[in-house]
Amino acid sequence: DQQVKQNSPSLSVQEGRISILNCDYTNSMFDYFLWYKKYPAEGPTFLISISSIKDKNEDGRFTVFLNKSAKHLSLHIVPSQPGDSAVYFCAAYSGAGSYQLTFGKGTKLSVIP
Amino acid sequence: EAGVTQSPTHLIKTRGQQATLRCSPISGHTSVYWYQQALGLGLQFLLWYDEGEERNRGNFPPRFSGRQFPNYSSELNVNALELEDSALYLCASSLGGPPMAQHFGDGTRLSIL
Repeated sequence: DQQVKQNSPSLSVQEGRISILNCDYTNSMFDYFLWYKKYPAEGPTFLISISSIKDKNEDGRFTVFLNKSAKHLSLHIVPSQPGDSAVYFCAAYSGAGSYQLTFGKGTKLSVIP
Repeated sequence: EAGVTQSPTHLIKTRGQQATLRCSPISGHTSVYWYQQALGLGLQFLLWYDEGEERNRGNFPPRFSGRQFPNYSSELNVNALELEDSALYLCASSLGGPPMAQHFGDGTRLSIL
C-alpha cells in the first residue's frame, strides 16, 4: 500500500517556465510534508517543507502548496533553471509518531535550456 | 564540516552471503537512519538508531539488522542475501527531531548476483 504517490515519473520543462511536481497521500495521520531533491550519485537533499496547519510555504523560487481535503501537495519551481534537473521526492510523516519518513517514488525533472 | 559518509560505495555479493554497510554521521549527530531505494521504488525506511538504541524499524524481515556504536557511527547488516536486496542503501543522520533535519550520505549500491 503506497501511502505517498508521485504519479508522474518524469517531467520536462523549458528553462524559465514553471515546473509543477505533484504528490498525493492517503494516510490522514501525516501532518508534515517535505520535498527532497536528488542528483545522480548523490544522496537526497532537503528542499522545502510544509506543515498541515498551512496551505502554502515559499522559499525563493520554490513554493509548496498543500490541499488537505484533497490529500494533495505540489511543488512549484519558478523560474525553472537547468540546475534544477534532478529527481524530486515527496515525503511525509506524522508529528505524533517516530519521525519515520514515507517517501514517494520520485519525479525526474528535466529543465531544457 | 564533513557530511555523512558511507562505505563502501559499491558492494557486489552473491545470494546467501552477508553484507555489511557502514555509515559515519555528521559530527555531533546522534541519530542515524537507514533507507533502501530499490529500482523503481521510492526510499523505504529501514531502521532508526539514536544514542546507541534501535528506536524504530520499517517493514523489513529480521535478516536486516544493524547497530550504532558509541561514536554514533552505524552498521547495516543484511544476512542471507536475496536477489531483491539489490538496491541503493542510504544513510542519514540528524541531531534528532524533525526529519527535515536529516542529512543524507551518497549511498552504497549493493548488487546481488
